[in-house]
Amino acid sequence: TQLLEQSPQFLSIQEGENLTVYCNSSSVFSSLQWYRQEPGEGPVLLVTVVTGGEVKKLKRLTFQFGDARKDSSLHITAAQPGDTGLYLCAGDHFGNEKLTFGTGTRLTIIP
Amino acid sequence: DVKVTQSSRYLVKRTGEKVFLECVQDMDHENMFWYRQDPGLGLRLIYFSYDVKMKEKGDIPEGYSVSREKKERFSLILESASTNQTSMYLCASSPISHPEAFFGQGTRLTVV
Repeated sequence: TQLLEQSPQFLSIQEGENLTVYCNSSSVFSSLQWYRQEPGEGPVLLVTVVTGGEVKKLKRLTFQFGDARKDSSLHITAAQPGDTGLYLCAGDHFGNEKLTFGTGTRLTIIP
Repeated sequence: DVKVTQSSRYLVKRTGEKVFLECVQDMDHENMFWYRQDPGLGLRLIYFSYDVKMKEKGDIPEGYSVSREKKERFSLILESASTNQTSMYLCASSPISHPEAFFGQGTRLTVV
């Protein structure tokens, strides 16, 4: 299994601040997804990035896929308490239906 | 609204019991998955099924088996529960050739 390393593992910031979390691997992925998971619930898909260098925006969240398709970042602008949760990246390899999940970043936004 | 439903949110079982975790999806997806989630270890794939009666081992299949008799239902079986199987279990489904997974709400299993 090819590992996806996420950093930081934990992040606690004040409401209104900006933040970036990272998802890195040594292998190339066909596509990469970001999920958010709230306590006691299953992960929910936020976005899928497919093309190397691709940037997608979802309101205050900006997702980028690395040029080499080995890494991704999630940037949140003006964080709000509702952004609190566990953020997971996941990648798939060409022709493989299975996802490899990252280790997760637990984000806490302090009001 | 698309849905993946797991039969229980919380379960407490005794060591040695046979445990069944059920998952149903209403999206007509071909692929279904069982993961376990533990702090610091992320989501680890236990088993994967890409069609009825078809299954493939994931990264940590030891101590588990699965059953998929109908397309919409995927069951995880703990043949003889042990305390190290205490975990959050997540079921997911996805359409073929589309990697995005839809997850159930999870089952928190405690083995005592």
